[in-house]
Amino acid sequence: DSGVTQTPKHLITATGQRVTLRCSPRSGDLSVYWYQQSLDQGLQFLIQYYNGEERAKGNILERFSAQQFPDLHSELNLSSLELGDSALYFCASSVYPVGGGETQYFGPGTRLLVL
Amino acid sequence: GENVEQHPSTLSVQEGDSAVIKCTYSDSASNYFPWYKQELGKGPQLIIDIRSNVGEKKDQRIAVTLNKTAKHFSLHITETQPEDSAVYFCAASKGTGGFKTIFGAGTRLFVKA
Repeated sequence: DSGVTQTPKHLITATGQRVTLRCSPRSGDLSVYWYQQSLDQGLQFLIQYYNGEERAKGNILERFSAQQFPDLHSELNLSSLELGDSALYFCASSVYPVGGGETQYFGPGTRLLVL
Repeated sequence: GENVEQHPSTLSVQEGDSAVIKCTYSDSASNYFPWYKQELGKGPQLIIDIRSNVGEKKDQRIAVTLNKTAKHFSLHITETQPEDSAVYFCAASKGTGGFKTIFGAGTRLFVKA
């Protein structure tokens, strides 16, 4: 158990709908990252937040948005859903060290199926 | 652009044999190299990592080696067991910020009993 929690575990919805995925980081971690993993694909970085502020953006679509709240939990909002958005969505968290690479701890993921 | 290549994409070994997965990175500024194991239906879990000031690190049956000159690093699993079957991802990072962590495409390891 990494200490990162994600809800819900599974989500089934229809095209055009909007969903919200939730992530709680490990205790003490200030950074939260969101990744998308499609079938048999690697991990695609979407966005990072640090202590409530957006820090880095990857290949995140304009239909997707995220935020990190004062209690450090984060939500990823996916709107106008398309079939191709079906994927596993992972949240990861880390301490934000000065210099050098950070160790990211991943949650169990949310499996999204768009029908 | 920055890239991490991982080989092989699939690896099948007999229980008790060793398994080696290799990764090559393109950005010479990378200084942190974690390895993750992802079991079916679960999130990636960190199994070992190495920083650029170290050439080798070992943790029980798992070891990682780093060659900065050649810009490649490898994961070695000895005395493989069926529970080692999973997808393994290498990654290279050069600082804070998730977009600076580049993941390899993954290696699916099968350990046959």
